Amino acid sequence: EDQVTQSPEALRLQEGESSSLNCSYTVSGLRGLFWYRQDPGKGPEFLFTLYSAGEEKEKERLKATLTKKESFLHITAPKPEDSATYLCAVQARGGSNYKLTFGKGTLLTVNP
Amino acid sequence: GAVVSQHPSWVICKSGTSVKIECRSLDFQATTMFWYRQFPKQSLMLMATSNEGSKATYEQGVEKDKFLINHASLTLSTLTVTSAHPEDSSFYICSAPADRNTDTQYFGPGTRLTVL
Repeated sequence: EDQVTQSPEALRLQEGESSSLNCSYTVSGLRGLFWYRQDPGKGPEFLFTLYSAGEEKEKERLKATLTKKESFLHITAPKPEDSATYLCAVQARGGSNYKLTFGKGTLLTVNP
Repeated sequence: GAVVSQHPSWVICKSGTSVKIECRSLDFQATTMFWYRQFPKQSLMLMATSNEGSKATYEQGVEKDKFLINHASLTLSTLTVTSAHPEDSSFYICSAPADRNTDTQYFGPGTRLTVL
């Protein structure tokens, strides 16, 4: 069974204080790993897809990296508007098309 | 990115009634759509896969007679919660892959269902 574990559950940062969120996964052949941002009462907003170990992707203050067992979402000099829940999800090779298994998320709060 | 809409945004109903939620892909066609449920401070749990022109596929533990799914066209899937009860109160979210060449799913804004 595919599993995704995110840590920490919650993270408080001061504006400008860089940090990283972790996503550990076990999957029977990784097809893709996805990062989403979710604001309260909203649907998840797509951030990144990573496919193979060593791959990195960046978007503004966010950078996602992937190894064979985990992914990191690095946040550089965060701003209050980066406050949200960040979700990690994996998609297994050979399973139902497009099925995603999500972690519980990391609630990020950035204080001004 | 691709846009997925849901209607309604929120709904309050009495116990025993049925509620229909629509999920539309606005700028792309989707032969497959997904329905998720999210309880407070929990992650998204896949309920079922909606397939255009064929029956939906339900995840283990999800009652197919209670959660009716109809994928009527390439841009519309509906989820009907039949004989809703308070324990069905949750945040329902749909998603769809916008491009067969990528596996990325785009999510709708969600529907908050409260059953009294």
